[in-house]
Amino acid sequence: DADVTQTPRNRITKTGKRIMLECSQTKGHDRMYWYRQDPGLGLRLIYYSFDVKDINKGEISDGYSVSRQAQAKFSLSLESAIPNQTALYFCATSRSSGGMTDTQYFGPGTRLTVL
Amino acid sequence: AQSVTQLDSQVPVFEEAPVELRCNYSSSVSVYLFWYVQYPNQGLQLLLKYLSGSTLVKGINGFEAEFNKSQTSFHLRKPSVHISDTAEYFCAVSQEVDAFSGGYNKLIFGAGTRLAVHP
Repeated sequence: DADVTQTPRNRITKTGKRIMLECSQTKGHDRMYWYRQDPGLGLRLIYYSFDVKDINKGEISDGYSVSRQAQAKFSLSLESAIPNQTALYFCATSRSSGGMTDTQYFGPGTRLTVL
Repeated sequence: AQSVTQLDSQVPVFEEAPVELRCNYSSSVSVYLFWYVQYPNQGLQLLLKYLSGSTLVKGINGFEAEFNKSQTSFHLRKPSVHISDTAEYFCAVSQEVDAFSGGYNKLIFGAGTRLAVHP
């Protein structure tokens, strides 16, 4: 079984709809992240969470919100989706003890299309 | 702030040929560098990372990278590629966001290089 799972894997929605992307991990890591990937731009950080009570904005948080329901679960919401939020979204995790040197472990991604 | 530049957006190569994927980063006092690979329809996975010590780092699947501080580069190499190496490769640098956060590992990614291996 995969250590980091994301649901759904693909989603098509319409402008203005609310949508939630979910991430679960079985690695026991404290830190979780949401990124979006756009062609030619690499990955950009949306939000990150050190633990259940600690959530922080990344470089492109506008239009997004998150919820850390448990150590293992981190959800990303688009309150009112717009077409330029069409992208590939990745969840990732890492240990809290690793600091700057630690590896991040990525889920398989969710491909979101906003029409 | 740190930044990462991957000089080639696409690299086509024939099977069994050598390949080099180039990565340059902006200078910093302490730098930690990573190469991640993304196979089609999959998430990213770590190929290798440089933390300190030997400047030649060996990773999985026969890849290696060399840290060059004077040229601020961290190029990825493989002496003989296979069809299965076809993927997108991302160079990343670790940047400390907050000195009080226990060294939070914020990764700054390059735009990616698409390696296409042809028979």
